[in-house]
Amino acid sequence: AQSVTQPDIHITVSEGASLELRCNYSYGATPYLFWYVQSPGQGLQLLLKYFSGDTLVQGIKGFEAEFKRSQSSFNLRKPSVHWSDAAEYFCAVIVGTGRRALTFGSGTRLQVQP
Amino acid sequence: KAGVTQTPRYLIKTRGQQVTLSCSPISGHRSVSWYQQTPGQGLQFLFEYFSETQRNKGNFPGRFSGRQFSNSRSEMNVSTLELGDSALYLCASSMDPVVAVQETQYFGPGTRLLVL
Repeated sequence: AQSVTQPDIHITVSEGASLELRCNYSYGATPYLFWYVQSPGQGLQLLLKYFSGDTLVQGIKGFEAEFKRSQSSFNLRKPSVHWSDAAEYFCAVIVGTGRRALTFGSGTRLQVQP
Repeated sequence: KAGVTQTPRYLIKTRGQQVTLSCSPISGHRSVSWYQQTPGQGLQFLFEYFSETQRNKGNFPGRFSGRQFSNSRSEMNVSTLELGDSALYLCASSMDPVVAVQETQYFGPGTRLLVL
């Protein structure tokens, strides 16, 4: 079964600093990969997704992610973090076999210091 | 276009009761999926409905059930509530998973259920 690992439970960065959130997946073939963000008391908002093609994917709010097949990774990056980016971030995978179920990582909570 | 709406937003029940949660997808979306979010287990897939038929089901007991109506609105029901059912229940909609399995799922704000 596929799985998603987010090794960092909690990350604190200073406002204006760069950010990288790690995500590793376990699956034989190339899965479909997603990053979602959840603010307190809110649902999930899609930041970006990767299906195929260019391995560097641009998303909303200035986020990007890079798919690295050799490392089974799909890390999320942002060059300069804003205080409003404080939230919980989830990496997710879906297997393209007709199933629609997203498998989520455990999440990384981002705290932004002024 | 209005987003995914879920009602109620908050709910308090006692053990042994049953509960019904409602989800209205984005207009034109035909697929509705349900997820449970808890601090201990994280986000877990419950089931997916498309054209009033359950297409996929996660690893949850039979106390969890759902249905979808002809207008694509969906309800999920939990019978004989247990303390461990306390969670945020999220609904997500997408247009047509038959056409594109990787299609984006748009999430609602969730219903927070507390079982006492």
